[in-house]
Amino acid sequence: NAGVTQTPKFQVLKTGQSMTLQCAQDMNHNSMYWYRQDPGMGLRLIYYSASEGTTDKGEVPNGYNVSRLNKREFSLRLESAAPSQTSVYFCASSEGDGGHNEQFFGPGTRLTVL
Amino acid sequence: SQKIEQNSEALNIQEGKTATLTCNYTNYSPAYLQWYRQDPGRGPVFLLLIRENEKEKRKERLKVTFDTTLKQSLFHITASQPADSATYLCAGGGTGRRALTFGSGTRLQVQP
Repeated sequence: NAGVTQTPKFQVLKTGQSMTLQCAQDMNHNSMYWYRQDPGMGLRLIYYSASEGTTDKGEVPNGYNVSRLNKREFSLRLESAAPSQTSVYFCASSEGDGGHNEQFFGPGTRLTVL
Repeated sequence: SQKIEQNSEALNIQEGKTATLTCNYTNYSPAYLQWYRQDPGRGPVFLLLIRENEKEKRKERLKVTFDTTLKQSLFHITASQPADSATYLCAGGGTGRRALTFGSGTRLQVQP
């Protein structure tokens, strides 16, 4: 039982390059989330998917797109990376949406945009 | 906008003492508050959840309170150990709102 897995662990991009961050969970969870974490800012929600087939914007969606490929997988795409997107990205999942569900987090992807 | 605020200054305490971390919320009334632990270079790990109609919740050496009048949650670690050193995140969520709002976390350092 791997929980939530993320790839890659580290990535360096040049401004304007694109990339996709992959996330998968094996807990049969319905809801999945993408956060970014910056020093002093805490976790900020980028996008989430309450259930397979749905996605919604979070607090900081600009510059990102997501795909809920199936129940297990939720990817985050940066179409044209900018230095402001340098951050640590965490994927999380929960059984359902709503504040009563604990979230399970992946190990994170550390992204640097030059 | 709704906010979860935690003391950004690190908390340093001696081993064996009780650590108390504070979480305040503004501009909304979460139905639930959750606490997570985050170690350097790792993702957060869930610790405890408390509902707005619960005053207190305990789990082993951990205790969390929810004061809707003060709009505050306190997180206590009793008999603290150096292994408790980490960043602790508070998050608020509602029944209608689908996602959690996280605070920026408080770093706890337990000195042996």
